Amino acid sequence: AQKITQTQPGMFVQEKEAVTLDCTYDTSDPSYGLFWYKQPSSGEMIFLIYQGSYDQQNATEGRYSLNFQKARKSANLVISASQLGDSAMYFCAMSFPSSASKIIFGSGTRLSIRP
Amino acid sequence: NAGVTQTPKFQVLKTGQSMTLQCAQDMNHNSMYWYRQDPGMGLRLIYYSASEGTTDKGEVPNGYNVSRLNKREFSLRLESAAPSQTSVYFCASQTGGPYEQYFGPGTRLTVT
Repeated sequence: AQKITQTQPGMFVQEKEAVTLDCTYDTSDPSYGLFWYKQPSSGEMIFLIYQGSYDQQNATEGRYSLNFQKARKSANLVISASQLGDSAMYFCAMSFPSSASKIIFGSGTRLSIRP
Repeated sequence: NAGVTQTPKFQVLKTGQSMTLQCAQDMNHNSMYWYRQDPGMGLRLIYYSASEGTTDKGEVPNGYNVSRLNKREFSLRLESAAPSQTSVYFCASQTGGPYEQYFGPGTRLTVT
């Protein structure tokens, strides 16, 4: 079965600290993509970062990096130097080209940044 | 580029009424998707269209129908709305492969 698990419903972090949001996944499909989306209180879904299952290096996008550990089936999001504007829901997601690129989402982590 | 657009942004329906949610993308993407997001939860796939002329059921298709009108447009229809369909509806599109989807701004639907 294909599944995404986010075990942290909520987190509080001090501004300027780094934060790691956990994500584990389960699939037997060898080809897949892993993503993180941010959903601020305004409601839109903002794409943050992508990691392909065959990519050798961890993906990075500015202050975001994806710690991809394939053997452990984990894809944690690391945000460096957190900012107040990082307060939002964060969703881990996975897609499968063998299934019309459908995406399945985790239940999300609500991140709150303290000033 | 507008990306993915959705209309309307908000809608209130009475139980039993019908309506169609519209979605359009200008990125020449092959695949389009409809999701719903209930409070405090992740997104669940309702229907998707891998290419123009094809549609398939997702995880929660009951009570909905879709039409892929052309490559740009993918509509979602509620034939007889129920309070359980109160949710935020997102449309998304994707070029193909294991890559990210691009989301519209969402439609907040309340069924009373």
